[in-house]
Amino acid sequence: GAVVSQHPSRVICKSGTSVKIECRSLDFQATTMFWYRQFPKKSLMLMATSNEGSKATYEQGVEKDKFLINHASLTLSTLTVTSAHPEDSSFYICSASSGGGADTQYFGPGTRLTVL
Amino acid sequence: AQTVTQSQPEMSVQEAETVTLSCTYDTSESDYYLFWYKQPPSRQMILVIRQEAYKQQNATENRFSVNFQKAAKSFSLKISDSQLGDAAMYFCAYRRASGTYKYIFGTGTRLKVLA
Repeated sequence: GAVVSQHPSRVICKSGTSVKIECRSLDFQATTMFWYRQFPKKSLMLMATSNEGSKATYEQGVEKDKFLINHASLTLSTLTVTSAHPEDSSFYICSASSGGGADTQYFGPGTRLTVL
Repeated sequence: AQTVTQSQPEMSVQEAETVTLSCTYDTSESDYYLFWYKQPPSRQMILVIRQEAYKQQNATENRFSVNFQKAAKSFSLKISDSQLGDAAMYFCAYRRASGTYKYIFGTGTRLKVLA
């Protein structure tokens, strides 16, 4: 149980375009979802926390207008990288928690974004 | 603010041997959760073990066990009978019991398993 999927696994796009990454909880209702960014050989950096039906809470230094997060249902959250630039190239990982007293986050397999 | 420290960037262990990965944390909270996650080359984060701070007993999952020392704010992971498949990055994580649900991650320890 507790499976989280991400789509796409890899995406290459041109500078200036927008890219959408989907995160789905397959066998549980994810009240809370998290989006992380991971640089090579580094730890995970939390970008934002989203709760179903409400606006995401962004970490300090993360541009809200650039990284749009939508958590429209209990099984789906999306991250849209708008007007992508080469410096946005990275590995993006989502995780999901059933919220409330649940303490464990379950992670998706990640999406490698390359911006040319 | 809470912090998590993993002081060993890299560790090596011989296959079938035992290795311990260190993690210390700083918090003023009395109730919280601690986790060890494994990230193999596929980069899929896998939960290895979790510990609830209010429980005295150390968590165990098959070959994985923790040494949780609350007063010392230490949470080490012991891997027994190491296998080649254990080779990965290991991240220690902290989460408050209430309020924000976000994790605070350590910087990770890369574990190499030698055949």
